[in-house]
Amino acid sequence: DAGVTQSPTHLIKTRGQQVTLRCSPKSGHDTVSWYQQALGQGPQFIFQYYEEEERQRGNFPDRFSGHQFPNYSSELNVNALLLGDSALYLCASSFWQVGTEAFFGQGTRLTVV
Amino acid sequence: AQSVTQPDIHITVSEGASLELRCNYSYGATPYLFWYVQSPGQGLQLLLKYFSGDTLVQGIKGFEAEFKRSQSSFNLRKPSVHWSDAAEYFCAVGGGSNYKLTFGKGTLLTVNP
Repeated sequence: DAGVTQSPTHLIKTRGQQVTLRCSPKSGHDTVSWYQQALGQGPQFIFQYYEEEERQRGNFPDRFSGHQFPNYSSELNVNALLLGDSALYLCASSFWQVGTEAFFGQGTRLTVV
Repeated sequence: AQSVTQPDIHITVSEGASLELRCNYSYGATPYLFWYVQSPGQGLQLLLKYFSGDTLVQGIKGFEAEFKRSQSSFNLRKPSVHWSDAAEYFCAVGGGSNYKLTFGKGTLLTVNP
């Protein structure tokens, strides 16, 4: 079992550009959540996808959007990048029920210059 | 609104010494509580979780945590720390109808030989 895999591992983008991050969940999991972890901070919830729909959203602007595919994999898109979007983006997969264990990927380090 | 406070930003202990990391939470319903560990450049690994029942929870790597509802706390303990325990530790809360996890800002653990 490969666990949760994210790609790419590192990414450098210019302010104003758009970026897409990808996540494959752990085998058997049907729910994917995305978190942003700024340097020296704990992860902040962006949104969660289940059955190809956004089920819950955190306090992030509409520049952050996502998608879940029929095979449960997911993408996180960020438009009009700001310097403040520089962070580690973590994907977590789980079963659909509240409180089930979330397994995290190693993250994508995004640097906006 | 749910929140987690980890009062200690950085803790240093000697190898073989005991460890206690503090976590206080605020949550309107019965909480699900988690402790995660993050090594440099890595994702989050679940150490243990509390949903209900016995308030003393055993986890991996010799860690345990005690849920104290009256104090809104979920402190992490280990009787004898190993050098490989050096990492950042995050407490998180979720549950009820809330799918997201809310994390504290983390406690960085340094282990001296």
